[in-house]
Amino acid sequence: SQQGEEDPQALSIQEGENATMNCSYKTSINNLQWYRQNSGRGLVHLILIRSNEREKHSGRLRVTLDTSKKSSSLLITASRAADTASYFCATGNNAGNMLTFGGGTRLMVKP
Amino acid sequence: DVKVTQSSRYLVKRTGEKVFLECVQDMDHENMFWYRQDPGLGLRLIYFSYDVKMKEKGDIPEGYSVSREKKERFSLILESASTNQTSMYLCASNPLRRRGGELFFGEGSRLTVL
Repeated sequence: SQQGEEDPQALSIQEGENATMNCSYKTSINNLQWYRQNSGRGLVHLILIRSNEREKHSGRLRVTLDTSKKSSSLLITASRAADTASYFCATGNNAGNMLTFGGGTRLMVKP
Repeated sequence: DVKVTQSSRYLVKRTGEKVFLECVQDMDHENMFWYRQDPGLGLRLIYFSYDVKMKEKGDIPEGYSVSREKKERFSLILESASTNQTSMYLCASNPLRRRGGELFFGEGSRLTVL
């Protein structure tokens, strides 16, 4: 079952602009993670935010988590053409066993 | 760096063939996972294993089996491949102490069943 749902499904922006992707989920979580996938490649972990955290930063990435709304957002600031990829959110449950992934957002950054 | 290696990046098989997808990780991780990725459906968990010879069904185990004879190796087996198993298959691992935490993925195996 798909726990996380990303929005939008696709996003096209110009280099230098900010990109915001959203993720909604359905059940209680232990943590929420964001991954990046270049075309035809495996996923690479970007950032993990725990259920008791509200905001986290890593370089040009900013993640927020609102557990009352069961939603998270990933902001990429000052985007670059190299940021073009698909971005997935994944939720870890309280049993700590596995992650459940959403359908992803395809981001295109035009030079 | 953690390395998860999937033996084949691209495979083309015929309906009814037996298919083996191999995955090896070099970081002594206890947990290993097989996901399937299809457009619009995201990643769906097929099977996972938290120890040698242990396996647990994920969300879509039908038509698949797995083998974990050694800690570093987790194999996905399609006993009789069908066209609806054409997909991208992703292997991942993480340490037992970080269950539910960051996953380390391989580069994927794109399987086409004709």
